[in-house]
Amino acid sequence: AQSVTQPDIHITVSEGASLELRCNYSYGATPYLFWYVQSPGQGLQLLLKYFSGDTLVQGIKGFEAEFKRSQSSFNLRKPSVHWSDAAEYFCAVGASAGGFKTIFGAGTRLFVKA
Amino acid sequence: DTAVSQTPKYLVTQMGNDKSIKCEQNLGHDTMYWYKQDSKKFLKIMFSYNNKELIINETVPNRFSPKSPDKAHLNLHINSLELGDSAVYFCASSQGTRTDVAFFGQGTRLTVV
Repeated sequence: AQSVTQPDIHITVSEGASLELRCNYSYGATPYLFWYVQSPGQGLQLLLKYFSGDTLVQGIKGFEAEFKRSQSSFNLRKPSVHWSDAAEYFCAVGASAGGFKTIFGAGTRLFVKA
Repeated sequence: DTAVSQTPKYLVTQMGNDKSIKCEQNLGHDTMYWYKQDSKKFLKIMFSYNNKELIINETVPNRFSPKSPDKAHLNLHINSLELGDSAVYFCASSQGTRTDVAFFGQGTRLTVV
């Protein structure tokens, strides 16, 4: 069965520091992979996605993610975090069995300290 | 203009009641979804409609019934509400049946007391 694991429930980084949020997936075929961000009281916003091709994908707000098939990972990175990046981040895998649907990880809450 | 709008934003109701949450999208998308986010932020798909046709129906109690009067609307009706139904419900839409560019609404926080 498809699944997504985000090992870190929450992470705290200093403003201006680099960020890496971890994501591991389990899926039999080549996955469609996504990162979403959810600000407090808001819906989810798509940051970036990977379908095929270049394994390093660029997203909005200065985020990027790298697909590593050998490690079944799709980690999200940002070189310099801003206070406005504080939010919940969800990794997701697109599965096509039984109708296409997106399976989300449990999320990682990012705190940014001044 | 809000792309995906849900009403109400907050809903507090007693056990046993019946309630509805409405969702509308003005993006011209042909696929709409309902997701449930529990207290631990875990997000899980409930239903998906493509051109008013149900294409995904996860293991959801029969008390939950989606209705899509047209492509731009997907409402969620819940009968005999239970405490465990308390959650945030998100509506989303996308073009095609892949959720690669799904747009989410702001959510409806349902509290059953």
